[in-house]
Amino acid sequence: DIQMTQSPSSLSASVGDRVTITCQASQDISNYLNWYQQKPGKAPKLLIYDASNLETGVPSRFSGSGSGTDFTFTISSLQPEDIATYYCQQYDNLQFTFGPGTKVDIK
Amino acid sequence: EVQLVQSGAEVKKPGESLRISCKGSGYSFTSYWISWVRQMPGKGLEWMGRIDPSDSYTNYSPSFQGHVTISADKSISTAYLQWSSLKASDTAMYYCARVRGSTSCYAGCWFDPWGQGTLVTVSS
Repeated sequence: DIQMTQSPSSLSASVGDRVTITCQASQDISNYLNWYQQKPGKAPKLLIYDASNLETGVPSRFSGSGSGTDFTFTISSLQPEDIATYYCQQYDNLQFTFGPGTKVDIK
Repeated sequence: EVQLVQSGAEVKKPGESLRISCKGSGYSFTSYWISWVRQMPGKGLEWMGRIDPSDSYTNYSPSFQGHVTISADKSISTAYLQWSSLKASDTAMYYCARVRGSTSCYAGCWFDPWGQGTLVTVSS
């Protein structure tokens, strides 16, 4: 089974800062990597699919990149409403796997 | 609007059975798989399994195989997650989600939208 790691597990940044989260797969997953945002007490929400495609309606300050085993999620200018936990997720051979999550808050 | 609406919160005792539901609307229910995801208190997301509502084919995460049953009734656009004998460790929020992406996920799949979640509490 493919394992997913994320770093950091948590971070604190100021409004306007650039925030970067990394996700690593235990084997090559091409670009089949997705990113979700989960705000406290809410269901997760899709932000990025296939590594770099921004879901309709998602602000352009969110972006993703990478392929193979190493992926990056970026918030170009952190906003107060971005306080959330962010998860990466992959699909391979009838199995879905989430990363452990990165909690983002405001400094 | 594409929507998944889940059944309400449940409080059960250990050993009891339970079935929670997830009703889809605003799209062709049989055209997309439905997955179930567990989130234990203060923890991350765990994929449990999925069903193809068109033929009720299921597959499960090894971690949940044999512990839960996923089913669907396409006539009422509803998927279910079922336990025959609950344990205290089943206490969690459970989400359903529509699976989008390439046909049969041969080139990647993702979850969108998600239901609002069903909180299951198991306590004696």
